[in-house]
Amino acid sequence: QKEVEQNSGPLSVPEGAIASLNCTYSDRVSQSFFWYRQYSGKSPELIMSIYSNGDKEDGRFTAQLNKASQYVSLLIRDSQPSDSATYLCAVMGSSNTGKLIFGQGTTLQVKP
Amino acid sequence: GAGVSQSPSNKVTEKGKDVELRCDPISGHTALYWYRQRLGQGLEFLIYFQGNSAPDKSGLPSDRFSAERTGESVSTLTIQRTQQEDSAVYLCASSKGGTGQPQHFGDGTRLSIL
Repeated sequence: QKEVEQNSGPLSVPEGAIASLNCTYSDRVSQSFFWYRQYSGKSPELIMSIYSNGDKEDGRFTAQLNKASQYVSLLIRDSQPSDSATYLCAVMGSSNTGKLIFGQGTTLQVKP
Repeated sequence: GAGVSQSPSNKVTEKGKDVELRCDPISGHTALYWYRQRLGQGLEFLIYFQGNSAPDKSGLPSDRFSAERTGESVSTLTIQRTQQEDSAVYLCASSKGGTGQPQHFGDGTRLSIL
């Protein structure tokens, strides 16, 4: 089992819809969770971090964390074509040594 | 500069040669990270520096890989006796404190081993 798993997609949604991106992780002691966006040919950029169970909202983005189920998700409301990218889920364990474990990423396509 | 700077942006070399990749973090950022991304894959952790020290070197794939950081600034990643499986984009990132997650990535060095 991979440490961090994501459906590679592509996930295709129409413009204006809600895009839901999911991620599961295997290490129960993981404490910190992150979502990065990576446009084709570009480097990743950090868009959300979440540390506690529940929801965290930032503009059109909502991160959801359920540690009991070892599940983290990212919701993008009112999806725009500019949101089309690969979204990488990353998980850090309790040691806080800078070692993030990344999933393979989910490619999102927002169709006008 | 305003962002994380990596050089060279592209490197093509023959199998067996040594390569050195350079990273200039954002000024004042104490944490520096190296990751590797193979085509179509997620990021693979290589090493993390807090200041000039590397608390976690566990991600370095083999003893052919080494990294150093000096002056709490520039870092170099050296790969000796390169192999074809070393072909990837090598990404450097930095962050302000020891929060643990890379916040600002450079554009990467695309390494191709012939």
